[in-house]
Amino acid sequence: RKEVEQDPGPFNVPEGATVAFNCTYSNSASQSFFWYRQDCRKEPKLLMSVYSSGNEDGRFTAQLNRASQYISLLIRDSKLSDSATYLCAVPGGGAQKLVFGQGTRLTINP
Amino acid sequence: GAVVSQHPSRVICKSGTSVKIECRSLDFQATTMFWYRQFPKQSLMLMATSNEGSKATYEQGVEKDKFLINHASLTLSTLTVTSAHPEDSSFYICSARETGYAYNSPLHFGNGTRLTVT
Repeated sequence: RKEVEQDPGPFNVPEGATVAFNCTYSNSASQSFFWYRQDCRKEPKLLMSVYSSGNEDGRFTAQLNRASQYISLLIRDSKLSDSATYLCAVPGGGAQKLVFGQGTRLTINP
Repeated sequence: GAVVSQHPSRVICKSGTSVKIECRSLDFQATTMFWYRQFPKQSLMLMATSNEGSKATYEQGVEKDKFLINHASLTLSTLTVTSAHPEDSSFYICSARETGYAYNSPLHFGNGTRLTVT
């Protein structure tokens, strides 16, 4: 099993819709999780950190399910500008590094 | 705060030449920096962990003699792609975590370097 797995999508949803996607992780001892947003040909930018059961920031909500070892990202009232690839990251191997999932491609359609 | 600057942002070189990429933390100190590589439509793959004042730690399958890493100060790490070949063409991104922050804190990324080897 990969350390971090995501559904690559693509997810195509209409503007204003709510969309959610998951990220599964293999290390049950993981304590922190991150969602990054990456635009085409750009570097990842931190969207949200999750250290407990979840986090919410405006239209974005991240929820952690430790029993099933996944974190989800929910986007409400989606905007055209939300179109991007969303990367899930988890600290790996007991070291300082972050392991990334392959990313979920999201396109918001007008 | 927590700005990471990477230079150059884009480079085209001929096969067989070497390319140096710089990664600087502008407003914080970083004992450790990380070099990732990303091929089109794929995720970020960690190449190596760069440690200030000591040798870098390379991930399995990454040739340390081909990808030379130097972390000479608390704000600068460099990656040199030696004898570059077309298959080395990729998006190289550095990242850093501010010294003193726990391993479970997020990384700050540079703007990346798009390398094209002809």
